[in-house]
Amino acid sequence: EDQVTQSPEALRLQEGESSSLNCSYTVSGLRGLFWYRQDPGKGPEFLFTLYSAGEEKEKERLKATLTKKESFLHITAPKPEDSATYLCAVQVAGANNLFFGTGTRLTVIP
Amino acid sequence: DGGITQSPKYLFRKEGQNVTLSCEQNLNHDAMYWYRQDPGQGLRLIYYSQIVNDFQKGDIAEGYSVSREKKESFPLTVTSAQKNPTAFYLCASTKDRRPMNTEAFFGQGTRLTVV
Repeated sequence: EDQVTQSPEALRLQEGESSSLNCSYTVSGLRGLFWYRQDPGKGPEFLFTLYSAGEEKEKERLKATLTKKESFLHITAPKPEDSATYLCAVQVAGANNLFFGTGTRLTVIP
Repeated sequence: DGGITQSPKYLFRKEGQNVTLSCEQNLNHDAMYWYRQDPGQGLRLIYYSQIVNDFQKGDIAEGYSVSREKKESFPLTVTSAQKNPTAFYLCASTKDRRPMNTEAFFGQGTRLTVV
């Protein structure tokens, strides 16, 4: 059964304290892995797409990496405005939608 | 500015009522999707449409109906047959008709509550 697991469920960081969020997946044929940011009461906002193991993408303080079993979202020197829920989703070969994890709720304390 | 507009932001439904959630996009995207989000669960697909006048059931279509009469619009009706409709509903679109292979744009959501 296709499965996407995100950890931790919640993470509290001091401003400037770097850390990583994990998205592990067990799917039959990965076509793409997506990271989204979601603010409370809002729709998800696209961050990155990764397609193959070894691929990396960066945007400001965020860097996403992909292996054959998991993806990491590294946050370097976070700021309070980085506080949000970060969602991971995978697209599986032959499927017609994205399969989402439950998210990691990040809080960055000033 | 291009984007997806969902309305209303908050909706209250009485038991036994049907309600319709609106989703409009001006991105000229081919494909549109409806997701449901519940606390502690990932987004789950209700319906999707890759072209006008055609739509497909997602993982949790029971108790819901959709239409796609115009490229820009993809309304979702929550019927009285949906046993647990209280949730946050999200509409999304992608430029490509191929399923979700590209960046998806999401609306701001409609929070539906049964009273």
